[in-house]
Amino acid sequence: AQSVAQPEDQVNVAEGNPLTVKCTYSVSGNPYLFWYVQYPNRGLQFLLKYITGDNLVKGSYGFEAEFNKSQTSFHLKKPSALVSDSALYFCAVRDPPSGGSYIPTFGRGTSLIVHP
Amino acid sequence: DAGVIQSPRHEVTEMGQEVTLRCKPISGHNSLFWYRQTMMRGLELLIYFNNNVPIDDSGMPEDRFSAKMPNASFSTLKIQPSEPRDSAVYFCASATGTSGINEQYFGPGTRLTVT
Repeated sequence: AQSVAQPEDQVNVAEGNPLTVKCTYSVSGNPYLFWYVQYPNRGLQFLLKYITGDNLVKGSYGFEAEFNKSQTSFHLKKPSALVSDSALYFCAVRDPPSGGSYIPTFGRGTSLIVHP
Repeated sequence: DAGVIQSPRHEVTEMGQEVTLRCKPISGHNSLFWYRQTMMRGLELLIYFNNNVPIDDSGMPEDRFSAKMPNASFSTLKIQPSEPRDSAVYFCASATGTSGINEQYFGPGTRLTVT
């Protein structure tokens, strides 16, 4: 069965500093991995995904994520945080060998707060 | 492209009343998802449709909840009778394909309050 964990409920970072939002997963095969962002009173928006290929994936708004198979992680990163990055971030995983389940599993979300 | 459209954006109703939430997916998308989000439980998948057919409804909490997709451009989620514990934000999302390889596009949500 596929599962995903976001170990931090909240991450605080100062504007201009690098940020990392952590995600670990458990699957039986090679995963499809996704990051989404949710701003207040909005729906989730897709940021980036890893399907195959280069372990470093670049996405929207300057975000990137690194797929690490040995550590079963897919951490979201940004070199320099902006106050406007403050939002709720969700990691999601889909385990293709699961067969009948075409539905990614979402983590509980991590609240990112960027302080001016 | 208007994105995924949901209506109403806000709904306040009394316990016992019927509530119907509506969703129009992005044209050409053949996968549709209904989610519920609360502080306590986070984001929960309620039901997944593929090509208008319900594929997985294991997340539907109980018989009070029902969902339909009569055609590729419209879906409804109905709660009858509603209860205060149904208060949440309900999201509809759509995607292309059926393999789960493609990202989902979420609507703005319907905030439901049951008093």
